[in-house]
Amino acid sequence: DQQVKQNSPSLSVQEGRISILNCDYTNSMFDYFLWYKKYPAEGPTFLISISSIKDKNEDGRFTVFLNKSAKHLSLHIVPSQPGDSAVYFCAARAPNTNAGKSTFGDGTTLTVKP
Amino acid sequence: NAGVTQTPKFQVLKTGQSMTLQCAQDMNHNSMYWYRQDPGMGLRLIYYSASEGTTDKGEVPNGYNVSRLNKREFSLRLESAAPSQTSVYFCASSRDFNTGELFFGEGSRLTVL
Repeated sequence: DQQVKQNSPSLSVQEGRISILNCDYTNSMFDYFLWYKKYPAEGPTFLISISSIKDKNEDGRFTVFLNKSAKHLSLHIVPSQPGDSAVYFCAARAPNTNAGKSTFGDGTTLTVKP
Repeated sequence: NAGVTQTPKFQVLKTGQSMTLQCAQDMNHNSMYWYRQDPGMGLRLIYYSASEGTTDKGEVPNGYNVSRLNKREFSLRLESAAPSQTSVYFCASSRDFNTGELFFGEGSRLTVL
């Protein structure tokens, strides 16, 4: 049973518009959520995180929203830029869990068209 | 800053051969990890080392062994490679056992024929 799901394998948006990447989870014990971005031939890099005590966290053009009752989080990128084209992974972990034992989704490939 | 460095970046093996992937981090992190990523899938944890001197199995440890050589270095060994181990392998580190984010290396693409 996949505990973290990114149901959209790919997303294409126009430069300057909003990109919304979605992630659903099933484990109600998860209390910390992260987004990573991955370019081809590179390792993932941390983008933004959110704790379950918050419902929103913002960092520049990136905002993560958490809806605990729906077990859903989303990453908003506004405005989208061609350099944002990458694979985005969401990850989740439970309290007192090793950072590396986060559960990862399968990723969403974002393409931002000029 | 180098961050997390993995070698080699590419490797082709024949079934049954052995090899070791090397990983080193220069961020003075306590915890280190090895993941594999298969096409269209997320990252799956193979082994991890919460601190120097300790190692533990992750989600998919079969066919692999690890060594935490010192605080900086964490190696992954395939004793008898199988085609099912064809994958991209990522080493990562984190400052502490249960806080913060992961820092990844660039990956090692392994093909087993």
